[in-house]
Amino acid sequence: DIQMTQSPSSLSASVGDRVTITCRASQGISNKLAWFQQKPGKVPKLLIYAASTLQSGVPSRFSGSGSGTDFTLTISSLQPEDVATYSCQKYDSAPWTFGQGTKVEIK
Amino acid sequence: QVQLQQSGPGLVKPSQTLSLTCAISGDSVSSTSVAWNWIRQSPSGGLEWLGRTFYRSKWYYDYAVSVIGRITINPDTSKNQFSLQLNSVTPEDTAFYFCARDRGSFLPFDSWGQGTLVTVSS
Repeated sequence: DIQMTQSPSSLSASVGDRVTITCRASQGISNKLAWFQQKPGKVPKLLIYAASTLQSGVPSRFSGSGSGTDFTLTISSLQPEDVATYSCQKYDSAPWTFGQGTKVEIK
Repeated sequence: QVQLQQSGPGLVKPSQTLSLTCAISGDSVSSTSVAWNWIRQSPSGGLEWLGRTFYRSKWYYDYAVSVIGRITINPDTSKNQFSLQLNSVTPEDTAFYFCARDRGSFLPFDSWGQGTLVTVSS
């Protein structure tokens, strides 16, 4: 099965900072990569699919890029409401696999 | 807009069966363009996909290797819902369990149930 590896596992940044999270697939998955945001005590929310397509209603400060095995989620200007755990997920074919998550905090 | 409503016990004894149900509104369990999934998250861990069912002229099932042999996902067309059964549970199965809809390789988990904390303890 394809493994998804995220880095870092956690980060702390200041409001307004640019934040980057990476996700690497153990084999190529084309652009079948999604990013989810999960705030404490809440259900995961789909942010980005097809590696770079923003789900409806997601703020434009979020962006995604990549193809094949290497992917990136960027928050252009970190806001207090962005405190959450971010997880990547591959969906080219079953089994669906998630990365281990990146916890984002405000410094 | 699709809504998924989970139900089921929050406490299960070791070696017994965990059973959860996900009721669907705004979509059909028999839709030929989506699949219905179960996902779990341990209290301090990441998301783990458990399995799914979907209808494409007949019913199909995919299960994660980690739970094959213990898991069953069943659709119920009369009630427009689907269920999860996980047999022979241990404390390691303690987690938040979520149901979710996906659209295959077009759109991943775009709708989620509210989550159910299931604790395995005697």
